[in-house]
Order: sequence, then structure tokens, then C-alpha cells
Amino acid sequence: SSELTQDPAVSVALGQTVRITCQGDSLRSYYASWYHQKAGQAPVLVIYGQNNRPSGIPDRFSGSSSGNTASLTITGAQAEDEADYYCNSRDTTGNRVIFGGGTKLTVL
Amino acid sequence: QLQLQESGPGLVKPSETLSLTCSVSGDSMSNSNYYWGWVRQPPGKGLEWIGNIYYTGNTYYNPSLKSRVTISIDKSKNQFSLKLISVTAADTAVYYCARVRPTPGFIPFDYWGQGTLVTVSS
Repeated sequence: SSELTQDPAVSVALGQTVRITCQGDSLRSYYASWYHQKAGQAPVLVIYGQNNRPSGIPDRFSGSSSGNTASLTITGAQAEDEADYYCNSRDTTGNRVIFGGGTKLTVL
Repeated sequence: QLQLQESGPGLVKPSETLSLTCSVSGDSMSNSNYYWGWVRQPPGKGLEWIGNIYYTGNTYYNPSLKSRVTISIDKSKNQFSLKLISVTAADTAVYYCARVRPTPGFIPFDYWGQGTLVTVSS
């Protein structure tokens, strides 16, 4: 399969915990990577692999995976976390790249 | 600090060829640990992978675009390029170049250019 499915929109109260999910057959074989994208800006990698954060990404961001679902968890969401979030992985052949459709996170 | 910068025309006529270049500074494109990729984003929509290139010149393309896309690399200039032929309005998008850090288990895009808007219109 060459698709990754994300919920279009999720909301969270300031300081609470939110989980954003990404589903697809390829995730049974490959880990997802996660990006946030604020309006008018380029995407920024926040999680890759099993649960790795690039330098400069706060530790409130974490990743996990089970079966065909990958999850990005933000523990103690901040106002600056309001953004679009995208997942990506290899497709089931391993040779191509696929992106999820994105989730718009609103911090209330 | 690695930086990527896209350049090219912001307006392309329908049926013509879209050509963009990504200039890389802060890393050598001969580094065997990375691919170099293109991703686009139509206005108000999500990210779409276009393709990747390795320093050897090996390329990997999105099957939906493969018949129209060519990605090439010029290691001497530390640049890589995108050509998309026979464009239509559906190709209007912000085009990003990025460094890709592939492993057998995952494929993150760890550094991105700022993006450049290409509009297809007569």
C-alpha cells in the first residue's frame, strides 16, 4: 500500500497531552518520521525512527509505534505547538517515500 | 550549519518545463550517508514526495510523477536540480528541497530549504 492516513484535525487544551496518529500498511515494516509545519514555513523534523529527536526539539515530543499505527505524543502541549503535523515512511516496497495527509493541531 | 536554498522561475506556462535548483552549503553532496530530495505542497494541501537522488546519481521517483520528472546532481557545484515537463495548473505548489537521511527502517527528511512557490499559468 502507498498510503498513510492521518486525522485531519485534533485539538488539545494548553498543558495537556495529545496523541496524533498515522496509519498505513508500510508502518508494519518501517518506522514513521514526524514533522511540524507552521503557516508559511518549511516542515521541521521532530521525531524519527523508533523515538529519536533531532537536536533542539523539546523532550515533550515523543514517538511510538504498534502494528500499522505510528503515534506522535506531545506531553504538556504549548501554544507554539499549534501547527500542521505530517508523518512519512518508506512505502511497502521500501524504495519510495510516502507522506500522510497531515493533522492540524489546535491548542486551546 | 547545513543550508539548502531553492532557486528558479516562479511562473511557468502550461505545457512548459518547470526547472528548479537547490544549492547546498555546509555539507558535501558526496556524503554517502544522505540522499537529496524534492517535496512539493500545493496551496492549502499536504506534502507530496517528488523524488530523491543519491550522490552516485541513482534516482527514486514518485510513481505518479515518474514519467515527467528528472532529478540530477552536480557535486562540483554542490547543487541538485528538478525538471518537471508538461506542467499544468495542478503542478502549482511550493517546492522544497531537502536532505534525506535514509536507513533500512526509516527515511527522515532532516533539513529543508525555505521553499519556493511555482505557479503554472499563462
